[in-house]
Amino acid sequence: DAGVIQSPRHEVTEMGQEVTLRCKPISGHDYLFWYRQTMMRGLELLIYFNNNVPIDDSGMPEDRFSAKMPNASFSTLKIQPSEPRDSAVYFCASSLAAGGGTNQPQHFGDGTRLSIL
Amino acid sequence: GDSVTQMEGPVTLSEEAFLTINCTYTATGYPSLFWYVQYPGEGLQLLLKATKADDKGSNKGFEATYRKETTSFHLEKGSVQVSDSAVYFCALRNNAGKSTFGDGTTLTVKP
Repeated sequence: DAGVIQSPRHEVTEMGQEVTLRCKPISGHDYLFWYRQTMMRGLELLIYFNNNVPIDDSGMPEDRFSAKMPNASFSTLKIQPSEPRDSAVYFCASSLAAGGGTNQPQHFGDGTRLSIL
Repeated sequence: GDSVTQMEGPVTLSEEAFLTINCTYTATGYPSLFWYVQYPGEGLQLLLKATKADDKGSNKGFEATYRKETTSFHLEKGSVQVSDSAVYFCALRNNAGKSTFGDGTTLTVKP
């Protein structure tokens, strides 16, 4: 079975440019999560969706960040304009919501390594 | 809000040594608890989980027991291998479906 698919795997761009990261969750999963990982701050939850609806976006750093989930099989995380401090590995994860939704693990993609010059 | 505190690393052990990585949590209600492992250049992978008090999760020789009285979920392995070298994350998931992760503990096993 295909896992969570993220694209691109690597992105290098200049400060001020728009960056769009993409994620395809595992088919049938109800929840989708976006995380950012850096050495300094560890793994941070940015936003998560349930049935395509954003539930908690309190981790989104600022207005330059936005995330959408137009359908059950696709999500984007956009940064506009990008800044060097946005450089990090961005992970997407998805999970089922069976049994109340709390006992299902998350399945992570391999991440997008983003470098803003 | 919810929080997870992990033993600080890095941890360096010799092959066949005993491993313990401590994890404690703070959460309302009855969260599910997880250990994930991350290898270089990859995403996190589920290692084991426990969904209620006194449950023991186990996988690949690793074990952790959900201790509600001490709000802990310590990871143990009796004999580590070089291939266990990775970063280990303790996590909880609350009733709203939101997950909280610890800071991760880097384990290096030397032959």
